[in-house]
Order: sequence, then C-alpha cells, then structure tokens
Amino acid sequence: NAGVTQTPKFQVLKTGQSMTLQCAQDMNHEYMSWYRQDPGMGLRLIHYSVGAGITDQGEVPNGYNVSRSTTEDFPLRLLSAAPSQTSVYFCASSKGPSAYEQYFGPGTRLTVT
Amino acid sequence: SQQGEEDPQALSIQEGENATMNCSYKTSINNLQWYRQNSGRGLVHLILIRSNEREKHSGRLRVTLDTSKKSSSLLITASRAADTASYFCATHRYSGAGSYQLTFGKGTKLSVIP
Repeated sequence: NAGVTQTPKFQVLKTGQSMTLQCAQDMNHEYMSWYRQDPGMGLRLIHYSVGAGITDQGEVPNGYNVSRSTTEDFPLRLLSAAPSQTSVYFCASSKGPSAYEQYFGPGTRLTVT
Repeated sequence: SQQGEEDPQALSIQEGENATMNCSYKTSINNLQWYRQNSGRGLVHLILIRSNEREKHSGRLRVTLDTSKKSSSLLITASRAADTASYFCATHRYSGAGSYQLTFGKGTKLSVIP
C-alpha cells in the first residue's frame, strides 16, 4: 500500500492565484482531513470528511474548499491564495472518525508571494 | 484554540537516557494520542490512550493519562539518536453540534545526542 500520498511536494504561488492540493489514500479509509502546520502553532484542522459526499469545516476553513467525490481522494482547493496561507499542508486519513489513529501524508510546502 | 499543550518545548538528552514529555489539556476528552514527526516529514502515530485507561506501553514508549489533572506524559526509555524528532499530543473530544475533533498541541522538540 502507498498509504496517503500528496502532490505536489512544493509549490510557489502568487497572491490571488488558485490551485488544488491533491490527496489520495489506498487504505479504504472513510475519514480524511486536511491540516496546516505553521511554526510554533502545531497542526490546525482546515476541513474534514467522514465519507464520500460529506465534508465539514474545521478550525481554520476560510479561503479553502474541499469536496469528496470518492473514498480515495480528498483535494483541497485554495480559491485566491494569500501570503497568510504560506504553510505546510498535511492530509490524513483514518478508518473511522477522528477517534482512530491518523495516517498522514508527507506534506505539501506552499509559499505564497 | 489550543487544547493540548506540550511541555517542555524543547528537550536535549544524551543517548541512553530517558526522555519525558508532558501534555496538558483543558476540557474532557475521549482519547489522547501521541505522534512523532521527523524533520520535513509527516506525522506518525505512536500510541493512543483512552480516557478510561491510565497507562499504556508500546516497546520503549510508556504513556500515562491522568484525567483528574487533565494531563498525559510520554516516556521514551533508553533513547537513541533516531528518536530525535518533534513529538505531539492530540486530544480527541466533542466539539459541539454532534461533531468530534482531534486537536494537536504545538509539540516538544527532542534532540538525542549520540
């Protein structure tokens, strides 16, 4: 199993550009989530999904959209990038709700100039 | 808002010594999880302890949970250079409106000197 994969690994955007961060898992996990990690801030939950077709907001959802059309994929869309969105983004999945151990992808390092 | 807070923020020890990290939280939880993150990598799950458990072991790891003090500790015995990483606690709790969330602390950066 590849586990949780994320693409791209690195990305530089200009302010106002949009892009999609890809996340896929091959473990047939129902629960998937997106976090951002900033220095000294730990991980903060952006959006999560408890199954295909069901998504909900986390702690810091503004400026991001998600959709879950399949069990495997959970893309994160930045609508209009801002310098405040410079961060490292992690996708995670688990076999059940967030009570279960989370499997993390390797991360995407995003810089917005 | 930050639910879990690790202490200390940074810890430096010699190889072979034990490392202890603490996590405090504010509201009642369903479970508490510890994760490790090597530099530039994703987080890796280490151990999960439920609110009705007091202690759990996994290899060289020992986790305790004191719900009356709202705190947990992670002990790594006989540390190795490969244990150098950041360690995060994450609390699973009810967040309202029928939802549950896993909230991470800011982490303890452990350096094990060979």
